[in-house]
Amino acid sequence: KAGVTQTPRYLIKTRGQQVTLSCSPISGHRSVSWYQQTPGQGLQFLFEYFSETQRNKGNFPGRFSGRQFSNSRSEMNVSTLELGDSALYLCASSPGTGGRVEAFFGQGTRLTVV
Amino acid sequence: AQSVTQPDIHITVSEGASLELRCNYSYGATPYLFWYVQSPGQGLQLLLKYFSGDTLVQGIKGFEAEFKRSQSSFNLRKPSVHWSDAAEYFCAVGATGGYQKVTFGTGTKLQVIP
Repeated sequence: KAGVTQTPRYLIKTRGQQVTLSCSPISGHRSVSWYQQTPGQGLQFLFEYFSETQRNKGNFPGRFSGRQFSNSRSEMNVSTLELGDSALYLCASSPGTGGRVEAFFGQGTRLTVV
Repeated sequence: AQSVTQPDIHITVSEGASLELRCNYSYGATPYLFWYVQSPGQGLQLLLKYFSGDTLVQGIKGFEAEFKRSQSSFNLRKPSVHWSDAAEYFCAVGATGGYQKVTFGTGTKLQVIP
């Protein structure tokens, strides 16, 4: 069974630009969560989608948005990029939603904003 | 809302020595508890999880963790560390009921010296 696939693996963008990251979950998984990982901050939860509906949202500005398609694939968009958005963005898929489900992580997209 | 604290940012141990990584959580009831490991350049992988029952849980790669309700702790242990265990370890807590997200700690980076 294929794992969670995130594309692209690396991105370099300029301040003010926007970026779209993609995540393909494990087949059959209906939940996709996004995290931002920076040194010293750990994993900061962005949002979770389950069956195309946003179920949970973290404390990030509205520049960060996401969506989930009917095939469970998800995209995350960041508009008006800032230097502080440089981070590893991780996607995790789960068969269901809730506090007891195991998350399966992709390798992440390394975003650098210059 | 639940929270989790990993008080040690970095830990260095000698190969063959025992290891204990600390994790404390805050939650009004018994939460779901997880330990994940992240190798350099990789996503996170589940080591073990606790939902209920036996408070000592066994995981992959020879790791175990013990849930102590009185101390609100879920410490990760390994009797003999191998050089390949060098990685970052994340404790996570999930709330019960509803569409609750899982909250991750800030991580503990483990260095193994020969």
